[in-house]
Amino acid sequence: NAGVMQNPRHLVRRRGQEARLRCSPMKGHSHVYWYRQLPEEGLKFMVYLQKENIIDESGMPKERFSAEFPKEGPSILRIQQVVRGDSAAYFCASSLSGGPDTQYFGPGTRLTVL
Amino acid sequence: QQPVQSPQAVILREGEDAVINCSSSKALYSVHWYRQKHGEAPVFLMILLKGGEQKGHDKISASFNEKKQQSSLYLTASQLSYSGTYFCGTPWGAYNNNDMRFGAGTRLTVKP
Repeated sequence: NAGVMQNPRHLVRRRGQEARLRCSPMKGHSHVYWYRQLPEEGLKFMVYLQKENIIDESGMPKERFSAEFPKEGPSILRIQQVVRGDSAAYFCASSLSGGPDTQYFGPGTRLTVL
Repeated sequence: QQPVQSPQAVILREGEDAVINCSSSKALYSVHWYRQKHGEAPVFLMILLKGGEQKGHDKISASFNEKKQQSSLYLTASQLSYSGTYFCGTPWGAYNNNDMRFGAGTRLTVKP
């Protein structure tokens, strides 16, 4: 049973470019969460999605960041016009339900902005 | 705002015990514990859903004191493989997993 998958694992972008991070949840999971982790820091919640719906985006910066989870295909976190401060590890997690349920994390995408 | 973990870092010798605490200024409805090794994804350890609950597997266990709004993770007879950063997480909204907030982490180093 495949776990949460993320790609790419490493992404390098120059300032001003766009970054697209993909997350495929565990089989049967329809709840997806995105987190950002700066070096040597904890996990910061960004957004919670279910299929075709954004449930909670309270942790998402208001500009340049967007997320989607289409009916078919992976969830995508999109960062437009990246800046150096966007460099971080981005993890997605999935859960079977949206209640107090275990979240399983993917391996993360390490974004480096030059 | 987020749960507060203590201590920030612990160094142990193999076989020693450690306790990691997680406390919150808000009511805790559930507490999730994860371990993350450097450069890897956080790995789920256990979830505690109600006050007074205690859980454990192998030599890692946890307790949840709902009234005190805190949880503790106990590592006994530590092994080298226990090294990593331990995070507690809790839903900041009521009764759901929206906006899961994690503590800043406790870095555990187990030496031979």
